[in-house]
Amino acid sequence: GAGVSQSPSNKVTEKGKDVELRCDPISGHTALYWYRQRLGQGLEFLIYFQGNSAPDKSGLPSDRFSAERTGESVSTLTIQRTQQEDSAVYLCASSLDTMEYEQYFGPGTRLTVT
Amino acid sequence: DQQVKQNSPSLSVQEGRISILNCDYTNSMFDYFLWYKKYPAEGPTFLISISSIKDKNEDGRFTVFLNKSAKHLSLHIVPSQPGDSAVYFCAASAGIGTPLVFGKGTRLSVIA
Repeated sequence: GAGVSQSPSNKVTEKGKDVELRCDPISGHTALYWYRQRLGQGLEFLIYFQGNSAPDKSGLPSDRFSAERTGESVSTLTIQRTQQEDSAVYLCASSLDTMEYEQYFGPGTRLTVT
Repeated sequence: DQQVKQNSPSLSVQEGRISILNCDYTNSMFDYFLWYKKYPAEGPTFLISISSIKDKNEDGRFTVFLNKSAKHLSLHIVPSQPGDSAVYFCAASAGIGTPLVFGKGTRLSVIA
């Protein structure tokens, strides 16, 4: 079946502009996670959605970052007034949540802020 | 404060030999551990996992060992193949449905 998809695959933006990144999780997966990987670093948790519960936003680095999820499907991650330190690969993952620990990742969006 | 540490940024192994990738953790609340493999320009793909109630899990050429008292796990790949060349991430979970905590990764190069 279809895996997690993300768009765009690459995004170059100027400092100060807003960007929106999209994630389509695996159908039927109730949990959705956003991570980012900066150069030379591991994956850093940003935000987690589970069903209709309030999202866990504990990983968001600043109030310039926000995310929404429509039901148990598409999620968008928005970064306002981008800064150069926001440059990273943004990865989305989904899981069955109550059934398994394993999370399944999309290919990521490479964001470059110039 | 890194809760999951992979102290070797890179490892080079000859084809056919054993690759051993190491991972240490500090949080005793972690109850499940996973290894992911990542090729360039792709997302991480799940490879193998182990529950904290076990000390070994094997899947084909891949075996993960867990030493809870030492808070240490390792991934063994034998025999190593050139297609195994990738970045390997160790990840830990404190419960189903919680964010994974990742190490920084180890780049494995398998030389033919």
